[in-house]
Amino acid sequence: AQSVTQLDSHVSVSEGTPVLLRCNYSSSYSPSLFWYVQHPNKGLQLLLKYTSAATLVKGINGFEAEFKKSETSFHLTKPSAHMSDAAEYFCVVSPLGGNQFYFGTGTSLTVIP
Amino acid sequence: DADVTQTPRNRITKTGKRIMLECSQTKGHDRMYWYRQDPGLGLRLIYYSFDVKDINKGEISDGYSVSRQAQAKFSLSLESAIPNQTALYFCATSDFGDSTDTQYFGPGTRLTVL
Repeated sequence: AQSVTQLDSHVSVSEGTPVLLRCNYSSSYSPSLFWYVQHPNKGLQLLLKYTSAATLVKGINGFEAEFKKSETSFHLTKPSAHMSDAAEYFCVVSPLGGNQFYFGTGTSLTVIP
Repeated sequence: DADVTQTPRNRITKTGKRIMLECSQTKGHDRMYWYRQDPGLGLRLIYYSFDVKDINKGEISDGYSVSRQAQAKFSLSLESAIPNQTALYFCATSDFGDSTDTQYFGPGTRLTVL
């Protein structure tokens, strides 16, 4: 069975400070893992994806995530938050070669000026 | 132009009405999906289609139906809308040849059922 747990429903950070959005997954098979971002009144945009290659994945806008199999985690980080990072972030798992996505419930990121 | 488009972007309707949401894509992808998003629940899969002749139920298909009119078009219908179908609906596509199964999302349709 596949599932995703986003450990924080809301995260607030000050502008210029690091961002950490936590995601744990369970998957019966080698998974693909994704982070998507949703800005207010917008669709979902792919930030980055892990597909069994390098465990540290770099995405757009300075975000990166590290796949840790032993911890079944795929946390999203950014060294320095920007006001434009304020959005909803979704962690997603898909069995490699599978046909469905399983979404976490989302983490709302607030960036304080 | 957007690769995945949805119409309408917003719709308000009344209980019992039939509603169709449409999705079109220019990405040439063979796989298409319909999701609904509710606050605090993330996205949940309603239906998906791997090609024109293939339709599959997702996690929450009750009360919905779909039609894959062409490779580029995938419509979602609510035969008799009810208030708990008020949600944000997303269409997505993916490419069979992409082993990562990355999905590409449309901008969403906000549906309100009164």
